[in-house]
Amino acid sequence: GQNIDQPTEMTATEGAIVQINCTYQTSGFNGLFWYQQHAGEAPTFLSYNVLDGLEEKGRFSSFLSRSKGYSYLLLKELQMKDSASYLCAVKEGNTPLVFGKGTRLSVIA
Amino acid sequence: DSGVTQTPKHLITATGQRVTLRCSPRSGDLSVYWYQQSLDQGLQFLIQYYNGEERAKGNILERFSAQQFPDLHSELNLSSLELGDSALYFCASSVGTGASGNTIYFGEGSWLTVV
Repeated sequence: GQNIDQPTEMTATEGAIVQINCTYQTSGFNGLFWYQQHAGEAPTFLSYNVLDGLEEKGRFSSFLSRSKGYSYLLLKELQMKDSASYLCAVKEGNTPLVFGKGTRLSVIA
Repeated sequence: DSGVTQTPKHLITATGQRVTLRCSPRSGDLSVYWYQQSLDQGLQFLIQYYNGEERAKGNILERFSAQQFPDLHSELNLSSLELGDSALYFCASSVGTGASGNTIYFGEGSWLTVV
């Protein structure tokens, strides 16, 4: 099974850039997802990586290195509304997504 | 709005009782997943159904069961409830079996409080 590790909490300033790291161990890697979850709400899909490299989508980008078992989510031009938990999830073979415990990001003025 | 509908949104019940949580997937999605999220844990996968058949099973307790009906809606049954079952239960759906690239979309969740 997967072993997914991401920092528990991070704090960043409005307008800044923050990078949230995720490391994983899996025997049959088949994709990595990032979700955003505001407290008490549904997780919402942010990005998907299956090949090495950077995927950019507006203010959010996600990077993957399969050989290192490593991904990061980059958030630019932080806004107060970006305060949320960010969940890294790994797909192994055809099994359902396994989620990390999430990184709670606080954006301060 | 993800298109995944869950009811009820909130539920308070006593220990030992049984509850049923209901989920309607997005239009066209054949897979339904159930996840449990408690305060100190991440999203824990419980079970997946695809087109009416059980597809994958996670750490689902024997006191819990689920099914997917011909109209593709799903129900999660939780019985002999314990205080530790208090959690947010999410339903999610995807168009296929969950192969690579199939994004799963989550409903708003059902808050269960066992007292």
